[in-house]
Amino acid sequence: QVQLQESGPGLVKPSGTLSLTCAVSGGSISSSNWWSWVRQPPGKGLEWIGEIYHSGSTNYNPSLKSRVTISVDKSKNQFSLKLSSVTAADTAVYYCAREPLAGIAAAGYMDVWGKGTTVTVSS
Amino acid sequence: AIWMTQSPSLLSASTGDRVTISCRMSQGISSYLAWYQQKPGKAPELLIYAASTLQSGVPSRFSGSGSGTDFTLTISCLQSEDFATYYCQQYYSFPWTFGQGTKVEIK
Repeated sequence: QVQLQESGPGLVKPSGTLSLTCAVSGGSISSSNWWSWVRQPPGKGLEWIGEIYHSGSTNYNPSLKSRVTISVDKSKNQFSLKLSSVTAADTAVYYCAREPLAGIAAAGYMDVWGKGTTVTVSS
Repeated sequence: AIWMTQSPSLLSASTGDRVTISCRMSQGISSYLAWYQQKPGKAPELLIYAASTLQSGVPSRFSGSGSGTDFTLTISCLQSEDFATYYCQQYYSFPWTFGQGTKVEIK
């Protein structure tokens, strides 16, 4: 079955760029799914960041859109998140997740999740 | 963005109890609602999608109902492994949004 694994620096300096990668195993990133990023600040709820299809089509949360870039690397079977101009408010556990396809669009719910990676923004 | 209000925020219950969690939307979303379970230090797990469709492998004691603006997650007979935090999520319109969570704790 498909498994997802997040990786990237656990500490990022304020005003810097957070960069994470999600490796997809047990299946192809070019399958009929969208791929999402979700984050969870310490002790708080879940926030959807954005999603990407293997074609490169993306959808972003407007609250983060000006700072977010999600990309896909089909040759490595992975997708990535970049979040620029980070502050302490971006400290969170970051999850990657799979969204099944519904027609030609993302179904919207997430049926497979990575274990998550903690990113702290601090000098 | 569509916002939701989950209630209660904290629910104290005993093993064997029937528990109900509510999710009320700021606008109608048809049946585009999912429920997730999250245990401490773990990723969320999908329980229900399309408001009432049980995800494969999820025990039948979990059920979902509702449409439009009012939705409910019911656990018919609470088991020890069900003590966790539950989130609803709408996927009717972007951005996808989650409820604030309901923590089910041991009474």
